[in-house]
Amino acid sequence: GAVVSQHPSWVICKSGTSVKIECRSLDFQATTMFWYRQFPKQSLMLMATSNEGSKATYEQGVEKDKFLINHASLTLSTLTVTSAHPEDSSFYICSARVNPFGDLPQHFGDGTRLSIL
Amino acid sequence: SQQGEEDPQALSIQEGENATMNCSYKTSINNLQWYRQNSGRGLVHLILIRSNEREKHSGRLRVTLDTSKKSSSLLITASRAADTASYFCATPEGNTGFQKLVFGTGTRLLVSP
Repeated sequence: GAVVSQHPSWVICKSGTSVKIECRSLDFQATTMFWYRQFPKQSLMLMATSNEGSKATYEQGVEKDKFLINHASLTLSTLTVTSAHPEDSSFYICSARVNPFGDLPQHFGDGTRLSIL
Repeated sequence: SQQGEEDPQALSIQEGENATMNCSYKTSINNLQWYRQNSGRGLVHLILIRSNEREKHSGRLRVTLDTSKKSSSLLITASRAADTASYFCATPEGNTGFQKLVFGTGTRLLVSP
């Protein structure tokens, strides 16, 4: 149980393209989803938190107009990297949790490797 | 955020040996979680230990928590090549109404056959 599906797993595209990444909780309803960015051999950096039906909360330093997050249902959140540039190349990972509290594990997708040429 | 520190940053051992990873954090917590990440993949939850617990076991994994020292350790016994991965500790941060996980710097474990 508690499976999170993230799609696509790999994207290569030209500079200036917008890229959408989907994160779905397959067998549970996720009131809260998280989007992380990870650089090689480093830890996860939280980018934003999304709660179903409300606006995402972005971490300091993350451009909300650059990284658009939508959490339209209890099982789907999307991250759109708008007008992507090479510096946006990274590994993006989503996770989902049943409730807003920190007393339950988070369930992670397998990540999306984004390469901007 | 108060990112935890883990040590060692990297650990290389032989199959059958035990691996110990340590995590230190900065704020008061109600629980601490350990996750594993295989190369190029997402994270997998291993164990959650609550602040009123001192030790917890799951198979070959043993986690300890010392809230007075703000530290935790993860012990993997009788390691296998398949245990090769990065291991992260994570602590909840924020008010009681909403909490987000803050991940430590991670330990890269290499288990050689």
